[in-house]
Amino acid sequence: AQSVTQPDIHITVSEGASLELRCNYSYGATPYLFWYVQSPGQGLQLLLKYFSGDTLVQGIKGFEAEFKRSQSSFNLRKPSVHWSDAAEYFCAVGAYSGAGSYQLTFGKGTKLSVIP
Amino acid sequence: GAVVSQHPSWVICKSGTSVKIECRSLDFQATTMFWYRQFPKQSLMLMATSNEGSKATYEQGVEKDKFLINHASLTLSTLTVTSAHPEDSSFYICSALRFGTTRDEQFFGPGTRLTVL
Repeated sequence: AQSVTQPDIHITVSEGASLELRCNYSYGATPYLFWYVQSPGQGLQLLLKYFSGDTLVQGIKGFEAEFKRSQSSFNLRKPSVHWSDAAEYFCAVGAYSGAGSYQLTFGKGTKLSVIP
Repeated sequence: GAVVSQHPSWVICKSGTSVKIECRSLDFQATTMFWYRQFPKQSLMLMATSNEGSKATYEQGVEKDKFLINHASLTLSTLTVTSAHPEDSSFYICSALRFGTTRDEQFFGPGTRLTVL
């Protein structure tokens, strides 16, 4: 079964600074990889996704992520953080089980705080 | 893009009552839907996988008699929390799986906030 690790529970950055949120996954084959953002009391919003091809993926709101197979990582980056980026970020892995059923597994999330 | 709706957005009920939450895929057919539960400041935990026309598959530790799932059509799955208690208060999120020619993809509903008094 797949698993996802987000090592950082809480990250605080200054507005305008760069950001990198870490995500490591465990899966035997190439997984589908996702980053979601969730504001308090809200649902999930998909930031970006990786299925195959170019390992650098561009998403919405100026975010990008890079799939590194050798490191089993899919880190999320943004060159300049805005105060509105403060939220909870979830990395997720989608994969098929041996029985052929699809399942999405979430990391525990990283809370991003932005200092004005 | 694919749209998934949930109704209601929030619900408050008394302890002991049952609450039904609907999940609809608005612009695609979904033979498979998922129900997640999210406690405050925690991640999403998969409760069950709902398959149209068959019984749902529940994750370990989820009481199937308490969380009744019905997936009666290709666009609608319902989650009924029976005899709700305060510890059932949570954010419930559904998602629908859209099958594609090259890959399948999950789309999420906006969530339902359940508060049990």
